[in-house]
Amino acid sequence: QVQLVESGGGVVQSGRSLRLSCAASGFTFSQYGMHWVRQAPGRGLEWLSVMSYDGDNEFYADSVKGRFTIFRDNSKNTLYLQMNSLRGEDTAVYYCAKDADNSGLYYLDYWGQGTLVTVSS
Amino acid sequence: EILMTQSPATLSVSPGERAALSCRASQTVGSKLAWFQQKPGQAPRLLIYEASTRATAIPVRFSGSGSGTEFTLTISNLQSEDFAVYYCQQYDGWPPYTFGQGTKLEIK
Repeated sequence: QVQLVESGGGVVQSGRSLRLSCAASGFTFSQYGMHWVRQAPGRGLEWLSVMSYDGDNEFYADSVKGRFTIFRDNSKNTLYLQMNSLRGEDTAVYYCAKDADNSGLYYLDYWGQGTLVTVSS
Repeated sequence: EILMTQSPATLSVSPGERAALSCRASQTVGSKLAWFQQKPGQAPRLLIYEASTRATAIPVRFSGSGSGTEFTLTISNLQSEDFAVYYCQQYDGWPPYTFGQGTKLEIK
């Protein structure tokens, strides 16, 4: 069965960096687009970024463009999110999610359980 | 960026009855609309994609309808496990793929 396990969350000071990982199993990782979505405490879902199956295409929400970078290592079945210049408003649970297509331009069919990032001042 | 608006913010319904949740897009998204269910402390779960296609293992009491800018998630014969927060998301064209703000379905 599809399994996505996020890691790398924690408490980080404002202005610093953090890298999240998402380990995938139960499907052929290299054949699917992958997304990052976050949820601030008590708030709704915010789509952040997507990368195509081969890493050739990536897209970002305006709120993180220029600060966050999505990348993947298909040899390790792992998706990453490099987060720089973190702000208080980046405090959230971060989810990785599998796209139903290789392009990453389709719906999200499986989600991980999330990892909590807390940005302190 | 396409803005997704869900209504109502909270819906109170009795078990066994039917609930209708609305999602409106600021511009047409065709049928590129998904619905997710999220329970407290859990990750979202895909219910519906392509506006009306049930995802794997989703009970038939969940149904989606609509196209263009107006969409509805209908849950018939509400069960106790259906009380949760529901989100719609559009995935039309190029990203960003925006979510609605959510509808909380609570027991009346």
